[in-house]
Amino acid sequence: QSALTQPPSVSAAPGQKVTISCSGSSSNIGNNYVSWYQQLPGTAPKLLIYKNDKRPSGIPDRFSGSKSGTSATLDITGLQAGDEAGYYCGTWDSSLTVGMFGGGTKLTVL
Amino acid sequence: QVQLVQSGAEVKEPGASVKVSCKASGYTFTNYDINWVRQATGQGLEWMGWMNPNSGNTGHAQKFQGRVTMTRDTSISTAYMELNSLTSEDTAVYYCARDFDGSGSARGYWGQGTLVTVSS
Repeated sequence: QSALTQPPSVSAAPGQKVTISCSGSSSNIGNNYVSWYQQLPGTAPKLLIYKNDKRPSGIPDRFSGSKSGTSATLDITGLQAGDEAGYYCGTWDSSLTVGMFGGGTKLTVL
Repeated sequence: QVQLVQSGAEVKEPGASVKVSCKASGYTFTNYDINWVRQATGQGLEWMGWMNPNSGNTGHAQKFQGRVTMTRDTSISTAYMELNSLTSEDTAVYYCARDFDGSGSARGYWGQGTLVTVSS
C-alpha cells in the first residue's frame, strides 16, 4: 500500500477533461516537489510534470499539474485516445528519506 | 540525446542474485543521480533507491535493506543494481532513471527496463 493515494481509475470521453488526484502527508507532498509520469502499456514511464507544475520540453499544455498542502493534482484537457495510460505521482519523503510513487491511476478514454 | 540502455532479461532461481546494468550516454554521467525503480506485472511503480554517480553515495528503501547494492563505473558511464536473496516476489521489470534537472525532484529519463524472473 503506497503512502501516496491515487484513485485506481478515471475515465472520460474524448475532448473532455479529467483530473487525477494524489494525496500524501506533510513529510512527503507537503514539503517536497511532486512529479507526474505517464506509462503507456508495455513502455517505460515518461515524465509529464516536475516541480509540481512545470512541463518538460515537448509535453503538451493539455497536461497541467498543481499542488496544495498535502495533495497534488494532474489535469488533462482535450482528452485523446492516445492518453489512455497509467499515471503516477511521485515525490520524496523527508522523514523516511525515500522516494515514493502513488499507486497509479488507469485512465480510460471512452 | 540522453539515453539509458539496460542489460537484458534475466532468469534466476530463488536465493540467487541478479545484477542489472544501466549504460548512460548523451550527458556527463557524474552530474545526475540515478534512481532504480521496479514494477511487478500489473502493479505500480516501486522506488528502490538512488545513487550519486560522482560520490558513489547511495540510499534505498527500507524493504531492500541488506539486499540491494548500487554501484557505478564512471569510466564507462554505467550504473549497476545488484539484488540478492531473490524470491518470487522480486519478479519484476527493473528500471534505471536519471534525475531530470539535478534537483533530485523528478526522474526525467528512463531506461527501457530489464525483466527479472525468479523461478525454480
